[in-house]
Amino acid sequence: QKEVEQNSGPLSVPEGAIASLNCTYSDRVSQSFFWYRQYSGKSPELIMSIYSNGDKEDGRFTAQLNKASQYVSLLIRDSQPSDSATYLCAVGSDYKLSFGAGTTVTVRA
Amino acid sequence: GAVVSQHPSRVICKSGTSVKIECRSLDFQATTMFWYRQFPKKSLMLMATSNEGSKATYEQGVEKDKFLINHASLTLSTLTVTSAHPEDSSFYICSASPPNEQFFGPGTRLTVL
Repeated sequence: QKEVEQNSGPLSVPEGAIASLNCTYSDRVSQSFFWYRQYSGKSPELIMSIYSNGDKEDGRFTAQLNKASQYVSLLIRDSQPSDSATYLCAVGSDYKLSFGAGTTVTVRA
Repeated sequence: GAVVSQHPSRVICKSGTSVKIECRSLDFQATTMFWYRQFPKKSLMLMATSNEGSKATYEQGVEKDKFLINHASLTLSTLTVTSAHPEDSSFYICSASPPNEQFFGPGTRLTVL
């Protein structure tokens, strides 16, 4: 079974700080990696995708992928109260996504 | 990003009735659509993969006769929960896939009384 593990949190950070989220996965042949943000009662929203080792930056978000260690992370810089949500790590192979349980982030004003 | 719609957004029904949920890709053609279920404070669980013009592929443990999926066109897939029971109450979310990424619909909250 393909497993995706995340710390459930909650992760509490002060406004303006960096939030760091980690994710590990079990399927070595995974090809694509995603971070989704999900607000309570809403469906997931894609915020980052990464396919090759290294860093990928998009605005205040940076995704990092290390296939050898089978982990992917997400950094949120200058955290804002609107970043308070559950962040889902998703790993893709064979056109399917396997999701982690999500990390709940709370940004305190 | 691509836009995916779902209808209805919320439905309450009596036990034993059937409920149909529609998923549409509005600005792209989706060869593949996926149906997920999410229970409170849990992650998304893939129920089935729907390919246009062919039978859906169901994940282990998902009853294909209970959750009927039809993908009649490149922009529309439907999920019908047949003879719904209270344990079927959940948040049902579809996603549509252009190459390499999945975009999610807004979800349908199903409550079975």
